[in-house]
Amino acid sequence: DSGVTQTPKHLITATGQRVTLRCSPRSGDLSVYWYQQSLDQGLQFLIHYYNGEERAKGNILERFSAQQFPDLHSELNLSSLELGDSALYFCASSVLWGGLSRSSYNEQFFGPGTRLTVL
Amino acid sequence: ILNVEQSPQSLHVQEGDSTNFTCSFPSSNFYALHWYRWETAKSPEALFVMTLNGDEKKKGRISATLNTKEGYSYLYIKGSQPEDSATYLCASLMAGGTSYGKLTFGQGTILTVHP
Repeated sequence: DSGVTQTPKHLITATGQRVTLRCSPRSGDLSVYWYQQSLDQGLQFLIHYYNGEERAKGNILERFSAQQFPDLHSELNLSSLELGDSALYFCASSVLWGGLSRSSYNEQFFGPGTRLTVL
Repeated sequence: ILNVEQSPQSLHVQEGDSTNFTCSFPSSNFYALHWYRWETAKSPEALFVMTLNGDEKKKGRISATLNTKEGYSYLYIKGSQPEDSATYLCASLMAGGTSYGKLTFGQGTILTVHP
């Protein structure tokens, strides 16, 4: 158990809908990262927040957005869902981030993932 | 090298064999190199964070080396066991450019250890 929690574990929805995925980082971790793993794809970085501020963006679609709240939990919002958005979405957390430290303080701890199925 | 590349893509070994695989990454703007172990139906788990050229890290039967000048890292597993079967991911953290501050993952090496 990494200490990172994600809800829900599974989500089945229809095309065109909007969903929210939730992540609670490990206690004391200030950074939250979101990743997408589609079929036959590796881990694709989506977005990173540090202490409430967006720090880096990856290949995140405009239909997707995220935020990190004052209590450091984060939500990933996916809207106008398409079949191709079906994937496993991971959240990870770390104490700091690479812009502040190159040490193990930016080692990432992954949550169990949310499996999104768009029908 | 523009991306993080891992080889081989998959590997089958017998229990007791020692094995190694490679991660290649951009050497310019290098900041740190991470290794993760990802078992089926679980989440990736951090193995090592390496930052200095010549770094060597060890955790049990697993060790890793780093060459930042040429942009590669090796992961070694000594005396492989069936429970070592997993996907091994490396990820590069860069200090500048468009990838600043974010981990770029390789596609992984899938290791299967047969009893």
